[in-house]
Amino acid sequence: AQSVAQPEDQVNVAEGNPLTVKCTYSVSGNPYLFWYVQYPNRGLQFLLKYITGDNLVKGSYGFEAEFNKSQTSFHLKKPSALVSDSALYFCAVRDGYSTLTFGKGTMLLVSP
Amino acid sequence: NAGVTQTPKFRVLKTGQSMTLLCAQDMNHEYMYWYRQDPGMGLRLIHYSVGEGTTAKGEVPDGYNVSRLKKQNFLLGLESAAPSQTSVYFCASSTLAEGIFFEQFFGPGTRLTVL
Repeated sequence: AQSVAQPEDQVNVAEGNPLTVKCTYSVSGNPYLFWYVQYPNRGLQFLLKYITGDNLVKGSYGFEAEFNKSQTSFHLKKPSALVSDSALYFCAVRDGYSTLTFGKGTMLLVSP
Repeated sequence: NAGVTQTPKFRVLKTGQSMTLLCAQDMNHEYMYWYRQDPGMGLRLIHYSVGEGTTAKGEVPDGYNVSRLKKQNFLLGLESAAPSQTSVYFCASSTLAEGIFFEQFFGPGTRLTVL
């Protein structure tokens, strides 16, 4: 089975600073990787995905992710964090034909 | 478009009671999913469906049943609720086109408490 790991339960960053939320994956074959965000008391919202092609993927709300095959990583990044970015972030990998396996999530807290 | 909707938003059950959670999507998606979210556990797949009339087990199917009689609806049933089923339940849908697996769209969730 495919899997993803999010090694940090929480990431703290000051507003205006760059942020990184880490994700590593374990797959057989080519990975399909996703990032989702969850705001309090809401469902998950899709941010971006990597299927193939350019290793730097751009997504919603100014987020981007870097796919690194040699390090089996897919870290989420943003050049300048906003307080409104504070949320729970999930990395996910396609597992089988039509399902996703999610990481345990990383809470991002951006301080003013 | 409403996207993915879930009914009800909140529910409190007593141990042993039964209930059905309803998920509806208006995007004509083939695939639908039920997840549960527990603190520190991420999202875990309960059951899923790849089309009308078909269902399959996910990672944590025990104690749940599902049905997909119509393409737009996916029902999750708890026949005899247990406190361990206290959780937030999310429904999602997605599609596949030209061999490309598209992202899943999520509903707002149902918060279930079993006393």
